[in-house]
Amino acid sequence: QVRVVQSGAEVKKPGASVKVSCKASGYTFIDYYIHWVRQAPGQGLEWMGCINPNSGVTNYAQKFQGRVTVTRDTSISTAYMELSSLRSDDTAMYYCSRTAAATHAAFDIWGQGTMLTVSS
Amino acid sequence: SYELTQPPSVSVSPGQTASITCSGDKLGDKYVCWYQQRPGQSPVLIIYQDKKRPSGIPERFTGSNSGNTATLTISGTQAMDEADYYCQAWDSSTYVFGTGTKVTVL
Repeated sequence: QVRVVQSGAEVKKPGASVKVSCKASGYTFIDYYIHWVRQAPGQGLEWMGCINPNSGVTNYAQKFQGRVTVTRDTSISTAYMELSSLRSDDTAMYYCSRTAAATHAAFDIWGQGTMLTVSS
Repeated sequence: SYELTQPPSVSVSPGQTASITCSGDKLGDKYVCWYQQRPGQSPVLIIYQDKKRPSGIPERFTGSNSGNTATLTISGTQAMDEADYYCQAWDSSTYVFGTGTKVTVL
């Protein structure tokens, strides 16, 4: 079936970086954009950015510009999200999701989430 | 930046109708999606392009969008509908989520 499966929970110290993976299966990886959305404990959803797996072109939310990098490896149908200069308020659940287009599209498949804890 | 505002909470009795609003500037000119998120689970798409339901989503979930407000209506609400609901739209190369509404089935 169509799914995206994320890597496991992470614990990092302030100032460090983290790289989370999102492996797609059940569909043609390059036909759908992959997005990253985070949710702090008890808070709402926040879009971080996305990648077009076909071209590698990325688009980031202004808030995360310069601190987030989304990449992909088409040979293994996997996208990655790297977040640097971690702070305690980056503690959140991070989800990957897909859309069929770059704009005006719906997030129809979601990963199980990756919990990131940033603590000294 | 674009903002979508939802009421923090909505309460409904089983079998009754719950309505959740999502407000944003000229929202009716954009496509709106709605997501359901049960505690401890990932979000699930329940409405896209204002009023379309993905396969497997019950007909009791309906959506509308006009002017500055989009509305998600749950008819014949069931206990399993107790969850957080988020609206979402696209604006100026950015995906925006609403503030979220907790639906409590009393």
